[in-house]
Amino acid sequence: GNSVTQMEGPVTLSEEAFLTINCTYTATGYPSLFWYVQYPGEGLQLLLKATKADDKGSNKGFEATYRKETTSFHLEKGSVQVSDSAVYFCALSDPNQGGKLIFGQGTELSVKP
Amino acid sequence: DAGVTQSPTHLIKTRGQQVTLRCSPKSGHDTVSWYQQALGQGPQFIFQYYEEEERQRGNFPDRFSGHQFPNYSSELNVNALLLGDSALYLCASSPTTQASLYNEQFFGPGTRLTVL
Repeated sequence: GNSVTQMEGPVTLSEEAFLTINCTYTATGYPSLFWYVQYPGEGLQLLLKATKADDKGSNKGFEATYRKETTSFHLEKGSVQVSDSAVYFCALSDPNQGGKLIFGQGTELSVKP
Repeated sequence: DAGVTQSPTHLIKTRGQQVTLRCSPKSGHDTVSWYQQALGQGPQFIFQYYEEEERQRGNFPDRFSGHQFPNYSSELNVNALLLGDSALYLCASSPTTQASLYNEQFFGPGTRLTVL
């Protein structure tokens, strides 16, 4: 079945450091891929998405490229800020399997000033 | 434009009780999905409603049931509560359009359920 695997956290970085959070997936079809962010005490917010191979999603300085050959969708940001501290979830949706999202376990990011 | 809203924000129940959680989708959205997020875990899909019918269901027991109303709002009901049902319950909505095939869902803030 479909699944998503993320690098384990927590990840602790200093402000302005480079961020990479690894995400790999297993899917039988051609899924869409997403990164969601969850700030403390809140629900999930869509950060970025990519719907086909080689697409690059970007938002608020974050980027991720849909790599079909490596089944990956790694999240990157060139210079993190304290306000980026949150839990990040990688997720996929297979249009052939209806409307459900399948999430990774989440990666907690803590950015120190 | 209000986003997805959920009520109540927090809820405390005891084992064996029943609970009802409510969700109003984003304006223009007619599909509602429910997810359970245990502490430190990613959300797990419970089920999805469209046109007042359950369209898809995850691996959850029949104690979990739902309903969708003509105005697209939805309820999640859990019977015979167990300690393990303690979690954040998230509602997400999406429109049934071509774009929704790529399943961009908008999430509410969630209801924190604690079972004692």
